[in-house]
Amino acid sequence: GENVEQHPSTLSVQEGDSAVIKCTYSDSASNYFPWYKQELGKGPQLIIDIRSNVGEKKDQRIAVTLNKTAKHFSLHITETQPEDSAVYFCAASENYGGSQGNLIFGKGTKLSVKP
Amino acid sequence: DTEVTQTPKHLVMGMTNKKSLKCEQHMGHRAMYWYKQKAKKPPELMFVYSYEKLSINESVPSRFSPECPNSSLLNLHLHALQPEDSALYLCASSQDYYSMSYGYTFGSGTRLTVV
Repeated sequence: GENVEQHPSTLSVQEGDSAVIKCTYSDSASNYFPWYKQELGKGPQLIIDIRSNVGEKKDQRIAVTLNKTAKHFSLHITETQPEDSAVYFCAASENYGGSQGNLIFGKGTKLSVKP
Repeated sequence: DTEVTQTPKHLVMGMTNKKSLKCEQHMGHRAMYWYKQKAKKPPELMFVYSYEKLSINESVPSRFSPECPNSSLLNLHLHALQPEDSALYLCASSQDYYSMSYGYTFGSGTRLTVV
């Protein structure tokens, strides 16, 4: 089955700096890679996603890159703000019985943005 | 309506109690999921319903019993739980289990404490 590794587990940056979180996956059949932000006491919120036929996607201060050959994808947050502080999870779809319906999550990165 | 609504938000129950968690979505999604999340860990898949039929049971103990009365509702019935079952229980939905066309939408979760 799919295995997703996420690094780093904690990341502390100054406000205005960039933050990068990296994930690797094991199953070359995976074709969907979402990123979730989870604030304390809340459920995960989808912030950006990318499919295997695209190398990069950007949405304002957030971007995701995918390298299918190396089987890794990264989240880039520019001009970080204190409200970006949260736990971020990467995930990869798992080929299960011919579907891509399962998501396998990384262990999470706790991002702290210091004012 | 683009939300997944979970009730209750908090639940404290004894080990001999029977309780139920409820999840509702009105986005026309045909796949619904239950996840369990322990503190500082990623969500772990418990059950998947696709078109109101149980598709996946990830070897979850029988003290957890899922139910999907219709395409908008998902319940999780709890009975004779153990203290180690205390966790955040997350419900999610997606448009279609087989293609992952638009990703998951998570609810805010039910914080369950077993005493």
